[in-house]
Amino acid sequence: DTAVSQTPKYLVTQMGNDKSIKCEQNLGHDTMYWYKQDSKKFLKIMFSYNNKELIINETVPNRFSPKSPDKAHLNLHINSLELGDSAVYFCASGTDSGNTIYFGEGSWLTVV
Amino acid sequence: GENVEQHPSTLSVQEGDSAVIKCTYSDSASNYFPWYKQELGKRPQLIIDIRSNVGEKKDQRIAVTLNKTAKHFSLHITETQPEDSAVYFCAATGYSSASKIIFGSGTRLSIRP
Repeated sequence: DTAVSQTPKYLVTQMGNDKSIKCEQNLGHDTMYWYKQDSKKFLKIMFSYNNKELIINETVPNRFSPKSPDKAHLNLHINSLELGDSAVYFCASGTDSGNTIYFGEGSWLTVV
Repeated sequence: GENVEQHPSTLSVQEGDSAVIKCTYSDSASNYFPWYKQELGKRPQLIIDIRSNVGEKKDQRIAVTLNKTAKHFSLHITETQPEDSAVYFCAATGYSSASKIIFGSGTRLSIRP
C-alpha cells in the first residue's frame, strides 16, 4: 500500500549505458515530479507532469527523457549515462494545487 | 529566478535545547511554505507547513513562523531529542500545479546526547 513507489532502489551501471527508473503513485494525484538529490543533498526539480502533460522542464540534458503513460505513472529514461549522473533520484506526486508533495523512497544511481 | 536560501547548513545542539532553522525566499507570489525532514538514507517527509495567511503554526515540539513582508520563515524545534537528528529542508511554492516547489539547500541537524 505504498503511496509513491519507484524501482529500482539501487542501480549500478557503466558509463554510456541507458537505464530507466519507474515510478507509480496510488494517491490519485494529478501531478508527478522527478527530483535529483546530489551528494551535497541539494534537491533539484527536473520535471513535472500534470495529467500526463509536461508542465515543468528544468535545464536538464536531453539525455533525460520522462514519460507519463497515465497520471499514476512517471518514468525516467536516461541515455548515455555519465559519471555526473550519479545521484539519488526521487519521484514525487502532489495535488493540482501544487502544495504538499509526497516523495518515493528514492533510486540510488551509481555510474562507474 | 526563484530562490530559497536556508541557514545554517549544519547545526549541532545539546539534547533538550532548541533548534532554529531560517529561510528566505525571493518570489513574492509564493504562498505555501512546507518543511521536510529527511533521515539518513530515507525520503524527505513533510513535518509541518504554513500558508501565507497565517503568521505562526505549532505542532507539539515543532513550530513554524512566517514574515511575508520580509520574506522570511523559520522552523523551531523545542526540547530536541536524538530522533530529531536529520536533514531539514524548507520550501516555497505557489498554489497551482505549474508552480515550482523550490527547496532550500538543507540543514543537517545533529543532537548531542
